Amino acid sequence: KNQVEQSPQSLIILEGKNCTLQCNYTVSPFSNLRWYKQDTGRGPVSLTIMTFSENTKSNGRYTATLDADTKQSSLHITASQLSDSASYICVVTRKFELGNTPLVFGKGTRLSVIA
Amino acid sequence: NAGVTQTPKFRVLKTGQSMTLLCAQDMNHEYMYWYRQDPGMGLRLIHYSVGEGTTAKGEVPDGYNVSRLKKQNFLLGLESAAPSQTSVYFCASRTGQTNQPQHFGDGTRLSIL
Repeated sequence: KNQVEQSPQSLIILEGKNCTLQCNYTVSPFSNLRWYKQDTGRGPVSLTIMTFSENTKSNGRYTATLDADTKQSSLHITASQLSDSASYICVVTRKFELGNTPLVFGKGTRLSVIA
Repeated sequence: NAGVTQTPKFRVLKTGQSMTLLCAQDMNHEYMYWYRQDPGMGLRLIHYSVGEGTTAKGEVPDGYNVSRLKKQNFLLGLESAAPSQTSVYFCASRTGQTNQPQHFGDGTRLSIL
């Protein structure tokens, strides 16, 4: 079954600290993995995308890693800011098959950064 | 830069009523999607469209209909609303190019009483 599991479900950290969010997937065939940030009351916004051959990709203070062998990804946030408080959603894209929906969404990790 | 615009932002309906949610994008995107987001669950695809005049069922299509008469608009209809359809509905769009992200609207919060 195609699934994306994220951990932890929620996380509270102090401003300025680092944190790492995890994503494990069983999606096949794999095309790419994307991390989205969803602020409260807003739609998700793409942070990074990783294809099969990529191990690490950075976007400012966000660094995503991918291990395609173990089917695991992580999102590391450095020097957290209050504005990082949001839900972070891991999304895996399947290679498109006619009649099958290609995206598999995780349930998200709710991050709260406190002063 | 409007991006993806959803209307209305909030709506309360009574069971059995009908309504249409409108999604408009100004990025000339080929693909458009309707999702619902419920507490404790990931986004679930309701219907999608790969071009003007075409639609397809997603993961949870029952109770919903869609139309894509114009490339920039994607309509989601509820013919007879049920309390189980209380949710936040998101529309998204993207280009047809490989590995491009979906761009989401800010959602429509729908309550069915």
